[in-house]
Amino acid sequence: ILNVEQSPQSLHVQEGDSTNFTCSFPSSNFYALHWYRWETAKSPEALFVMTLNGDEKKKGRISATLNTKEGYSYLYIKGSQPEDSATYLCAFLGGGSYIPTFGRGTSLIVHP
Amino acid sequence: NAGVTQTPKFQVLKTGQSMTLQCAQDMNHEYMSWYRQDPGMGLRLIHYSVGAGITDQGEVPNGYNVSRSTTEDFPLRLLSAAPSQTSVYFCASRGNGYTFGSGTRLTVV
Repeated sequence: ILNVEQSPQSLHVQEGDSTNFTCSFPSSNFYALHWYRWETAKSPEALFVMTLNGDEKKKGRISATLNTKEGYSYLYIKGSQPEDSATYLCAFLGGGSYIPTFGRGTSLIVHP
Repeated sequence: NAGVTQTPKFQVLKTGQSMTLQCAQDMNHEYMSWYRQDPGMGLRLIHYSVGAGITDQGEVPNGYNVSRSTTEDFPLRLLSAAPSQTSVYFCASRGNGYTFGSGTRLTVV
């Protein structure tokens, strides 16, 4: 079983704050790293699929970076809004397998 | 496009009953999978399939069966439900990233 860690486990911020969280994964045999946004009572929705070291992806106020050599990815949210409140999941594909290993997620709550 | 259609959304079973959770996708994805989500445990893989006629076990396969007779459908069968199978179940297919179904909240009493 591959070790995929997300930190922090939960985060409370005020509307307008910028925030970031981390996904750590094995640095060898990398294939891809996914980020998902998971709202309560809904299903996870794909945000980014990242495959190359140094990748930077952006969607609106949300962006992500990838460092495959050291085994981490950062997700950034600029100017958080209450509608950004969700759990953010990362999924690592690698280690000789194309089956993803999901982290346990970072729960973000943005207070108005 | 419907994406991944998962039914039912809610189900209550008695211990020992059997049932099938349905999953269908219209994106022609070869890879499909079933996960369960429990508090504090994250998503755990039950079974997966890399194409029609091919299935394999994931992390927590006991008590579940799957089949993949077509590319579109990947049903999950609970053979004899147990309270430990109370969970939220998600079906997912993989294209560029995973597309998840809307989930099934199953309670076994």
